[in-house]
Amino acid sequence: NAGVTQTPKFQVLKTGQSMTLQCAQDMNHEYMSWYRQDPGMGLRLIHYSVGAGITDQGEVPNGYNVSRSTTEDFPLRLLSAAPSQTSVYFCASSYSLADTDTQYFGPGTRLTVL
Amino acid sequence: GEDVEQSLFLSVREGDSSVINCTYTDSSSTYLYWYKQEPGAGLQLLTYIFSNMDMKQDQRLTVLLNKKDKHLSLRIADTQTGDSAIYFCAETHRDDKIIFGKGTRLHILP
Repeated sequence: NAGVTQTPKFQVLKTGQSMTLQCAQDMNHEYMSWYRQDPGMGLRLIHYSVGAGITDQGEVPNGYNVSRSTTEDFPLRLLSAAPSQTSVYFCASSYSLADTDTQYFGPGTRLTVL
Repeated sequence: GEDVEQSLFLSVREGDSSVINCTYTDSSSTYLYWYKQEPGAGLQLLTYIFSNMDMKQDQRLTVLLNKKDKHLSLRIADTQTGDSAIYFCAETHRDDKIIFGKGTRLHILP
């Protein structure tokens, strides 16, 4: 298994540009989520999905959209990038939300918005 | 290579101390973190330690770092039922890359 993969690893955007961060997992996990990690802060949940066709907002959803058309993929879209969205983004997945399951994290995408 | 290892399960009696261990492989780590994940919730940052420190205490939590052995531990004193969760060890490097362990599930026995 490849586990959780994210692309790209690095991205530089100008303010107002749009882009999609890709996340895929090959473990047949139902639960997927997106976090952002900022210097000196912990991870903050942006959006999550408990299964194909179902998404919900996390702690910091503004400025981001998600969709879950398949179990494997959970892309994160920035419609109009802002400098405040400069961060490292992590995608994670787990089999379910049950407490018996651990989350698997992708390697991260480092985004800089100028 | 970069790897963070931790045991998957730990059972502790209520009132006892819990010690969750973690080992990492990259000596260039700058920060080391402990996160807590409760059922149905995202990750919550519990505490972190700079790589030039040996110990950090925060109320019931004590973090010990042994750089020579690349070993990090989290001690929870007087473990309560509310401490039941999955605990993730993570390290970051100078390029802000973060590596997570697979998590240790802490189970509290009555």
